[in-house]
This record gives sequence, C-alpha cells and structure tokens, in this order.
Amino acid sequence: DTEVTQTPKHLVMGMTNKKSLKCEQHMGHRAMYWYKQKAKKPPELMFVYSYEKLSINESVPSRFSPECPNSSLLNLHLHALQPEDSALYLCASSQDLRGGPRVETQYFGPGTRLLVL
Amino acid sequence: DQQVKQNSPSLSVQEGRISILNCDYTNSMFDYFLWYKKYPAEGPTFLISISSIKDKNEDGRFTVFLNKSAKHLSLHIVPSQPGDSAVYFCAASARTGFQKLVFGTGTRLLVSP
Repeated sequence: DTEVTQTPKHLVMGMTNKKSLKCEQHMGHRAMYWYKQKAKKPPELMFVYSYEKLSINESVPSRFSPECPNSSLLNLHLHALQPEDSALYLCASSQDLRGGPRVETQYFGPGTRLLVL
Repeated sequence: DQQVKQNSPSLSVQEGRISILNCDYTNSMFDYFLWYKKYPAEGPTFLISISSIKDKNEDGRFTVFLNKSAKHLSLHIVPSQPGDSAVYFCAASARTGFQKLVFGTGTRLLVSP
C-alpha cells in the first residue's frame, strides 16, 4: 500500500479566512512533505517533517503554518493567503530510514486544489 | 537556476512504439533519480528510480538509463500505450540532502492509438 490521502480535494477561501489542509499516510513512513505546484510548473518543496520534527522550511511565508500531530498525519494551516497562493498543494511521505541508505522514494497524495479569492 | 531540466515540453508517439523521455542535470552531488507520472489535477505517481551506482534499471515496460559522465538520464517506455499519456517529471536528490527532491519541468507525453 503506497497511499497518501489528502483532504479536501478542492478548497476556495477568501483572503481573510483560516483553513487547514490535511494529509495522512499509513505506510509507517517517518518523513512527510508539503509541496506547492502551480500550473505547468514542477512541484516546489515547502516543508519537510522528519520524525515529527520540522527539518526543512524552504523560506515559506508565515501565512503557511505546518503541523505534524503524529507520524501519520500532516496538516498545513492557512491564514491570510493571497490570490497568488492559489495552486495544487501536494503532500508526500517517505521512509526516512535512519542509519540506512540516504536515498528515498517519495510517495505523493492526490493534492488539494486551492483557490484564493 | 534550474538544476534538473527536461528540454522537451512535449512528445507524441504512436501506440506500440518506444517513448524516450530525456532529463539533464547540473548538480554533480545528485545521486538518486526518480521518474514520476502525473495526470491533470492528481498527485505525481512514482514510476521508477535509479541510484548513481547503476546505469540501468528496468521495471516492466519502463527502463531508466543513467549516464553520469553526461549528467543525463532517460526513461524508455516500450511498448507505449494510450494510458501512458500524461506529464512525466524527472526528479533528483543528493545523499547529503536526500529529502530535497528537485523536479524537472516535465514532458507531456501523448500516445495516440
């Protein structure tokens, strides 16, 4: 089973709203990722959590706030977004084998398509 | 600075023929390479990967070739099927920053019956 699930599939929000994106995996993976993908562009890394700790923040604006409540769940809290934040938000996970070979395959969820009005 | 490049934005192939998708990289620290397939409004689906200690990896109809000296990899799909029509991304990571996948810009493959 290589499934990563994301909810909601679609989200429309105003610039003053607060919303959250959710991601879940049950593969026992210990690394989880948030990516942003604009139309006709490759996915761009936003955040990485490793063993429930934030390990990489790619200089993402503070209006995006990630949270990893446990090893299976990853949230992305959104507040005061701008229209240019409209994009497909992808979650991914990988094994993160400590002490193992440092090459890993990331498995992606279907994404949440976000529209900010 | 685009460290992973896919110079062909699109490729059209007839069903049953070979599809060859190319990818070039500039960062010599990259040592793990992956190919993902993506349908519109869906997340990327992992297809096949290759470590820098190999020059070829095969999985069914998909074969990835790695030429380290040329910093070039390619994905061969044989035989191509209409269901293979999608955008294909190559991605790379380095052992020292293994969690940072760098994606190419993608190649849209169209397989016609």
